[in-house]
Amino acid sequence: QPALTQPPSASGSPGQSVTISCTGASRDIGGRYYISWYQQHPGKAPKLIISEVSKRPSGVPDRFSGSKSGNTASLTVSGLQSEDEADYYCGSYVGGDRVVFGGGTKLTVL
Amino acid sequence: QLVESGGALVQPGGSLRLSCAASGFVFSSQYMTWVRQAPGKGLVSVAKINPDGSEQYYMDSVKGRFSISRDNAESSLYLQLNSLRVEDTAVYYCALEKWWTFECWGQGTLVTVSS
Repeated sequence: QPALTQPPSASGSPGQSVTISCTGASRDIGGRYYISWYQQHPGKAPKLIISEVSKRPSGVPDRFSGSKSGNTASLTVSGLQSEDEADYYCGSYVGGDRVVFGGGTKLTVL
Repeated sequence: QLVESGGALVQPGGSLRLSCAASGFVFSSQYMTWVRQAPGKGLVSVAKINPDGSEQYYMDSVKGRFSISRDNAESSLYLQLNSLRVEDTAVYYCALEKWWTFECWGQGTLVTVSS
């Protein structure tokens, strides 16, 4: 059972915005700054798209944004494009040098 | 860049050694991690090693069976898998970890444990 809870699926039409949630507890999401998001296309390796709650690595489009409120982190994809169709995973530092992930959300672009 | 190798089909109870060749960054200065993904499932951090190799972390279910190591002179990371179980079947990724964030991933290598 993943430590962080994500909806199994999300969808949106091209050009729309979609938000994916990642819910944890005060020991992880609520009490931590090191929250990250990863994009994984079928058969490919995960790719870091958001670090430290809301920072975008170089090369990641500004259509991707991250935020946090209480024990829930969120990833918003604005101006949906067909290439955004992928699985998305959140990750959080939980102390003891450990990182836990969410179960993943499959984003479908309609 | 990270390139894994060594994945294979192995019987329960068997052993395997995975390798990860690193390039394009100062390997000896970085924490490195193995993350696995069972078929159709999510990501799980399996083992982590500090830059000089003196400290290792393992998830509970692999403690005593898996061993992470590194050769900084060769810019290589390793994962020795012993006493393999069916539930260890997964794609194993090596990843560069900075501040509990996985900044760079390899393409993965598939380990299948089956009789």
